[in-house]
Amino acid sequence: AQTVTQSQPEMSVQEAETVTLSCTYDTSENNYYLFWYKQPPSRQMILVIRQEAYKQQNATENRFSVNFQKAAKSFSLKISDSQLGDTAMYFCAFTPNTDKLIFGTGTRLQVFP
Amino acid sequence: SAVISQKPSRDICQRGTSLTIQCQVDSQVTMMFWYRQQPGQSLTLIATANQGSEATYESGFVIDKFPISRPNLTFSTLTVSNMSPEDSSIYLCSVVLRQGRNIQYFGAGTRLSVL
Repeated sequence: AQTVTQSQPEMSVQEAETVTLSCTYDTSENNYYLFWYKQPPSRQMILVIRQEAYKQQNATENRFSVNFQKAAKSFSLKISDSQLGDTAMYFCAFTPNTDKLIFGTGTRLQVFP
Repeated sequence: SAVISQKPSRDICQRGTSLTIQCQVDSQVTMMFWYRQQPGQSLTLIATANQGSEATYESGFVIDKFPISRPNLTFSTLTVSNMSPEDSSIYLCSVVLRQGRNIQYFGAGTRLSVL
């Protein structure tokens, strides 16, 4: 079975600091895609970053970057220079190239001033 | 990306009634999906809405309970039928703009409370 595991239910970080959210997944596929989505209290799911499994280079989007370790099936999200607006639930998600997303259980991130 | 409008944004319904949720996209999309997010939980895929044919349901979800329509490439509805308090959840639609890009964009969701 294909699963996504987020082992940190809650995290907190001070404004301007760096925080890393963990995600592991299980699949027998070789080609797949990984995502981090953000869901603020407004509940709109927003795509943060996307990684293609066949690309070794880690994806980056401004203050957001990933550490993709394919052999370890690990896909962590690093948020640099944290801002109050980063407070949200963060979901790691996986698709084995079928367009169906499998979500982890989420990590609630609180950014403190 | 795309502008995805979901209606209603929230509703409070009585047990035994049905609610239809609409999802409208401002451009034609290849795929549309419906998810359920139970309180404090992650997202679970209900079904893939297929244009012009019956939706494809995931294990644990059936057409009688969650009938779905998709009459064209920009619009879909999800009906939650014969509701019970256990159906209280957020229901979200999502779209894929271009096949192969594997990026899903989400509507703002419908918060449903069943009394």
